[in-house]
Amino acid sequence: KNQVEQSPQSLIILEGKNCTLQCNYTVSPFSNLRWYKQDTGRGPVSLTIMTFSENTKSNGRYTATLDADTKQSSLHITASQLSDSASYICVVIEGNNNDMRFGAGTRLTVKP
Amino acid sequence: DTAVSQTPKYLVTQMGNDKSIKCEQNLGHDTMYWYKQDSKKFLKIMFSYNNKELIINETVPNRFSPKSPDKAHLNLHINSLELGDSAVYFCASSQVAAVGLETQYFGPGTRLLVL
Repeated sequence: KNQVEQSPQSLIILEGKNCTLQCNYTVSPFSNLRWYKQDTGRGPVSLTIMTFSENTKSNGRYTATLDADTKQSSLHITASQLSDSASYICVVIEGNNNDMRFGAGTRLTVKP
Repeated sequence: DTAVSQTPKYLVTQMGNDKSIKCEQNLGHDTMYWYKQDSKKFLKIMFSYNNKELIINETVPNRFSPKSPDKAHLNLHINSLELGDSAVYFCASSQVAAVGLETQYFGPGTRLLVL
């Protein structure tokens, strides 16, 4: 069983709408959590990096939250644009050995 | 100004062949990585390497071997290719060796298809 579970698997929204992607993890001990955006045919690009003590971090229209107690994170996208269409990958870094545990990603499609 | 570049972008080859994928970074980073992204889109780390240490994911077959001629390059050589090796391979780099809070920069990927 993967230690990082993302939901939904895919999501379609209309341009201008907001959406929230979820990431639940069981990785322990925890070091930090990252959200990546991966455009089709491209490599992942880092959006946010959050440590244990951070609850919220924003990068433009992207806002990530972290609840280290419940081991949940979310990525909120505000006022979506067509260019937001991509896969969003949650990655949790294990505290002992810095192993990276990848989620399967959420495929977001923004339609005009 | 491509930060992390990979060649080739696409690679189609026969089972049993030996092939190499090249990776170069111009960011001056100390550490480079190879990842495999399978058909289900899971990214799995294969190797991390700096000038002092090679860390190998124990699940990686020894048919895969990283070769680093210098700090800016980490090539991936694959012997006796198998059908299950078909995937997208990503190279990445970061400033320091430990995957702490530094950002990794990924290349565009190499799509390998083994027939």
